[in-house]
Amino acid sequence: GQNIDQPTEMTATEGAIVQINCTYQTSGFNGLFWYQQHAGEAPTFLSYNVLDGLEEKGRFSSFLSRSKGYSYLLLKELQMKDSASYLCAIIGDSWGKLQFGAGTQVVVTP
Amino acid sequence: SQTIHQWPATLVQPVGSPLSLECTVEGTSNPNLYWYRQAAGRGLQLLFYSVGIGQISSEVPQNLSASRPQDRQFILSSKKLLLSDSGFYLCAWSKTGGINPNYGYTFGSGTRLTVV
Repeated sequence: GQNIDQPTEMTATEGAIVQINCTYQTSGFNGLFWYQQHAGEAPTFLSYNVLDGLEEKGRFSSFLSRSKGYSYLLLKELQMKDSASYLCAIIGDSWGKLQFGAGTQVVVTP
Repeated sequence: SQTIHQWPATLVQPVGSPLSLECTVEGTSNPNLYWYRQAAGRGLQLLFYSVGIGQISSEVPQNLSASRPQDRQFILSSKKLLLSDSGFYLCAWSKTGGINPNYGYTFGSGTRLTVV
């Protein structure tokens, strides 16, 4: 089975940086995804990590450590529109099935 | 380009009534198809997935069922809805043979189901 943990909620100020952690336990591992989900909408893809290290895409970066079962999503230069839920998801031992964490609600304040 | 359509967007149904949600994919063939449910304030729970016509795998026992009558059509059904079936239902697809690392799953726009 799989277990994916992430904080429930985080609050940060506009222009600041926020780091969302995700820890996981899985019998197999074929990659980790981060998605952004605004209220009432479908999730949208942010990043994918399968090897250890940092992947950077503009204001968003994602890090993976397979030996520690750990990932984080880093959001820089926060904007009000970044207020959303951020979902960590992994492909475990069954290729093609994504299992999601409960999501972290990020609230950006002025 | 590939697109995914899901309908209806919103649905209010009484307890005990039947349910049918439909999802279709365009621009690809033999996709993997998925149904997820998201309860209020919760993460996405995988309900069913399909790797081909007539092939359905159930992840969670419940009073819901899924069918794939055509290659790019995926239907979620129930004979009698329960209050606990309320939630946000999402259909998704991925390419055959695995998830594309450039975009993962592609989700439909979702159906907000309220059982009253």
